[in-house]
Amino acid sequence: DSGVTQTPKHLITATGQRVTLRCSPRSGDLSVYWYQQSLDQGLQFLIQYYNGEERAKGNILERFSAQQFPDLHSELNLSSLELGDSALYFCASSVVQYTGELFFGEGSRLTVL
Amino acid sequence: QKEVEQDPGPLSVPEGAIVSLNCTYSNSAFQYFMWYRQYSRKGPELLMYTYSSGNKEDGRFTAQVDKSSKYISLFIRDSQPSDSATYLCAMDADKLIFGTGTRLQVFP
Repeated sequence: DSGVTQTPKHLITATGQRVTLRCSPRSGDLSVYWYQQSLDQGLQFLIQYYNGEERAKGNILERFSAQQFPDLHSELNLSSLELGDSALYFCASSVVQYTGELFFGEGSRLTVL
Repeated sequence: QKEVEQDPGPLSVPEGAIVSLNCTYSNSAFQYFMWYRQYSRKGPELLMYTYSSGNKEDGRFTAQVDKSSKYISLFIRDSQPSDSATYLCAMDADKLIFGTGTRLQVFP
């Protein structure tokens, strides 16, 4: 158990809908990262927050947004969903802002029908 | 061209074999090199972490970095069925970039 909690574990929704994925980092970790994993693209970095502030941005679509709250949990919002958004979404956390040592949650599997 | 290239496999080996997993990269700014292991239906977990060129050993695992060739490797000695997983290389400049992962199957 990495200590990173993600909810929900599974989510099935329809095209055009909006969903929110939630992540609670390990106790004491200030950085939160979101990744998308699909079969053809592998693990793609979306966005990073450190202590409530956005620190780095990857290949995150404009339809997606995220935030980190004062209690350090984070939410990833996905809107106007398309079939191609079906993937595993991972949250990871780390103690400091800049490190390769990430602790991943078990992921949220999103299926868009 | 992707920043990090990794053969997706699958790689199937008998128990006890030496396994070699490799990645190449194009960005010379990468300074930190990692290997993550991902079991089915689980999140990736850090296996090895190296900063500079050379070798780093941890039990049955050896990570090798050759910055001049932009090539990293992970060797697994005396492979076990429990090593069956997807192995992802990862590299860090200002954000962590992952390879697509190599699926390894070790059969008894």
